[in-house]
Amino acid sequence: DAKTTQPTSMDCAEGRAANLPCNHSTISGNEYVYWYRQIHSQGPQYIIHGLKNNETNEMASLIITEDRKSSTLILPHATLRDTAVYYCIVRVVGYGNKLVFGAGTILRVKS
Amino acid sequence: GAVVSQHPSWVICKSGTSVKIECRSLDFQATTMFWYRQFPKQSLMLMATSNEGSKATYEQGVEKDKFLINHASLTLSTLTVTSAHPEDSSFYICSARTPRLAGGSSNNEQFFGPGTRLTVL
Repeated sequence: DAKTTQPTSMDCAEGRAANLPCNHSTISGNEYVYWYRQIHSQGPQYIIHGLKNNETNEMASLIITEDRKSSTLILPHATLRDTAVYYCIVRVVGYGNKLVFGAGTILRVKS
Repeated sequence: GAVVSQHPSWVICKSGTSVKIECRSLDFQATTMFWYRQFPKQSLMLMATSNEGSKATYEQGVEKDKFLINHASLTLSTLTVTSAHPEDSSFYICSARTPRLAGGSSNNEQFFGPGTRLTVL
């Protein structure tokens, strides 16, 4: 699976959009971009995933660049409860594939 | 999303004892479950892949005789830490993969349990 690079940490004001970048320059054509988050002392929570088109669900939006070498997770109106570690993971979607977690981005939402 | 539970949520044990952690998929059947370990201020590290009805597949460096995994049913996998020592103290997290959808397409999402905090004295 391709390697991802994320900033170590980011701050965001409550109520504003949080934009979390992820670089995956070595991504291959059959690899998806997945985002999970982990609130302190809890298990990771699935947020969203995509292949090449932008995706949106009730939690977030995922913007993938046309060359697919980077992506941005957008939390449109961040709240204090969105403070967490956000993991960007690139992997092939096959039934035997594992999720390999990197260091992630610590997002701190501040009032 | 799908719900995965773990029991217990925390456990304290004496060095040399064994501890069993349960992982259950509550509203779906999971042929595959995963076990992760997370030390303080570190990321999750995959320990093993648990397949229902067959032996678990362990990641490199994980002792299979120390971390016994049993996946006896489609909704339950257990991790037993045998002869636990203080260095085994960690946050253990399981995940379960949703089944294939009808028509052959795979949903293939992983949903995580809330984790089990193990402290070995």
